[in-house]
Amino acid sequence: GESVGLHLPTLSVQEGDNSIINCAYSNSASDYFIWYKQESGKGPQFIIDIRSNMDKRQGQRVTVLLNKTVKHLSLQIAATQPGDSAVYFCAEIPLNTGFQKLVFGTGTRLLVSP
Amino acid sequence: GAVVSQHPSWVICKSGTSVKIECRSLDFQATTMFWYRQFPKQSLMLMATSNEGSKATYEQGVEKDKFLINHASLTLSTLTVTSAHPEDSSFYICSARDLLSIVYGYTFGSGTRLTVV
Repeated sequence: GESVGLHLPTLSVQEGDNSIINCAYSNSASDYFIWYKQESGKGPQFIIDIRSNMDKRQGQRVTVLLNKTVKHLSLQIAATQPGDSAVYFCAEIPLNTGFQKLVFGTGTRLLVSP
Repeated sequence: GAVVSQHPSWVICKSGTSVKIECRSLDFQATTMFWYRQFPKQSLMLMATSNEGSKATYEQGVEKDKFLINHASLTLSTLTVTSAHPEDSSFYICSARDLLSIVYGYTFGSGTRLTVV
């Protein structure tokens, strides 16, 4: 496989705080990025996406920032709620993959305290 | 929206037996489906890419004779873990691409937890 098999780092925040989850990607040819949320025992859920020709995209309570210079992606969650507690993954689609494979990053566990 | 159904959600089997996991796109056609494996507290590792009507493409290090993938229709792909061993115990997740989506449209199933005893 292509994803990194490391243990998940954890980000702990208080309810109402803003959360920032970071992701470093390795393939400079990647042209599309997606953030997913995964709750325990479930499959990943789409949160927000961004193309490589953009550096920022906003959704409801979430913002994704893309810095292609340093190959860095971040997910900002405003007014974090206990229901946001989950593992968050960034995923990329490298341009040079024939079937447009989605490759996942390491992931970050977000713990929101009431 | 696009929905992918994965079945079973969990299965326990004895060493040496085979287990089949199904992945169905319920309201869209998917020429390409992807199979992932996830160990506890780790990321999703792509195992193979499944294309309707053709042989699957396996990632490096994934044994194609052990993890048999069949994609017989535009809405169904199956993963069979053959001669399962305890080290095959893991969370298996499928994903399907919605070709009609204006974005890339990857939708994931809810996963199958396989325990081999």
